[in-house]
Amino acid sequence: DQQVKQNSPSLSVQEGRISILNCDYTNSMFDYFLWYKKYPAEGPTFLISISSIKDKNEDGRFTVFLNKSAKHLSLHIVPSQPGDSAVYFCAASGTASKLTFGTGTRLQVTL
Amino acid sequence: DGGITQSPKYLFRKEGQNVTLSCEQNLNHDAMYWYRQDPGQGLRLIYYSQIVNDFQKGDIAEGYSVSREKKESFPLTVTSAQKNPTAFYLCASSIAQRGVQYFGAGTRLSVL
Repeated sequence: DQQVKQNSPSLSVQEGRISILNCDYTNSMFDYFLWYKKYPAEGPTFLISISSIKDKNEDGRFTVFLNKSAKHLSLHIVPSQPGDSAVYFCAASGTASKLTFGTGTRLQVTL
Repeated sequence: DGGITQSPKYLFRKEGQNVTLSCEQNLNHDAMYWYRQDPGQGLRLIYYSQIVNDFQKGDIAEGYSVSREKKESFPLTVTSAQKNPTAFYLCASSIAQRGVQYFGAGTRLSVL
């Protein structure tokens, strides 16, 4: 039972344009959401998070939007840069301390 | 430099053998976690520990064991009961429950 879903396994975007990565969740008890970036053969690095009391959080080029009624969150990267090419995971947590991860979206930023 | 150190980077297991993956953190974090990543899949939680001398099973604990004798160390043993151990193993820690988790560089385990 996949409680956190990233339905797009890959995404290609031109340098300078906006990248939009999507994530859906099914568990209404989730109230804290995170995005991680991962390069091959390395551990994920934390990018940005959002609590369910907010609908938007921004950090530099990265903005996360949360739509609780739709159980949907998205990560916007503007402008996209070649160094952003990686796999992006969304994750969610509820009352327990553990995170539930999606399957990831591979972003390729082309020149 | 504060961080999470996993060793070794690559590990090979013979059939019927137990192997132990090391995870050490000097971030003074209370909680530590072990995940497994398979190709094309997300991270799946094996075990986690919120405090020394206490740990809980995650979603896929069968065939694995852990200990938490020190705050900074959370080793994972892949036992011979784990029939499909080939994967990328990631250790993480967080300052508190439900905090941001920070990851080590991972250990890739293969079966000979």
